[in-house]
Amino acid sequence: DADVTQTPRNRITKTGKRIMLECSQTKGHDRMYWYRQDPGLGLRLIYYSFDVKDINKGEISDGYSVSRQAQAKFSLSLESAIPNQTALYFCATSDSGASASNEQFFGPGTRLTVL
Amino acid sequence: EDQVTQSPEALRLQEGESSSLNCSYTVSGLRGLFWYRQDPGKGPEFLFTLYSAGEEKEKERLKATLTKKESFLHITAPKPEDSATYLCAVPDRGSTLGRLYFGRGTQLTVWP
Repeated sequence: DADVTQTPRNRITKTGKRIMLECSQTKGHDRMYWYRQDPGLGLRLIYYSFDVKDINKGEISDGYSVSRQAQAKFSLSLESAIPNQTALYFCATSDSGASASNEQFFGPGTRLTVL
Repeated sequence: EDQVTQSPEALRLQEGESSSLNCSYTVSGLRGLFWYRQDPGKGPEFLFTLYSAGEEKEKERLKATLTKKESFLHITAPKPEDSATYLCAVPDRGSTLGRLYFGRGTQLTVWP
């Protein structure tokens, strides 16, 4: 089974709709991240969290919100989707432990299309 | 200003034709440089972490090296299954939270 899972894997929605993307991990990591990927722009950080009580904005947080429901769950919401939020979204995790090397492990991605 | 710049953007190699991908970074006080492989429509897959100039790591046909200003990913005798986008990333200098800055990647195509 995958260590980092994302649901849904694909979603098509209409402008103005509220959308939630979910991420779960079984790696036991405390840090979780949401990125979006657009052709030619690479991976850009939306939000990150280093524990259940900590939420931080990334480079491009406008139009998005997040919830860290548990150490293993981190969800991303688009309150009112717009077409330029069409992208591939990735969740990632990393470990902050003393022996951790800080690499991030990614989920399989959610392809979101906003019409 | 980009923290990480990768070149070339795209590279086409014939099977067996060795080459190198470049990742240059501007962040000072480097606390690790990461290489990832990404297949189309999938999440990035971790390959290597390098911490200090002169360090090298190998995995099958891939070898990553690090200098004070850049890293190279050398691909020796590539095969078609090595075709993917290769990403490098560095941590944010001021962050203790593991934030990474990613380059835009090099799209590698290896043809038979």
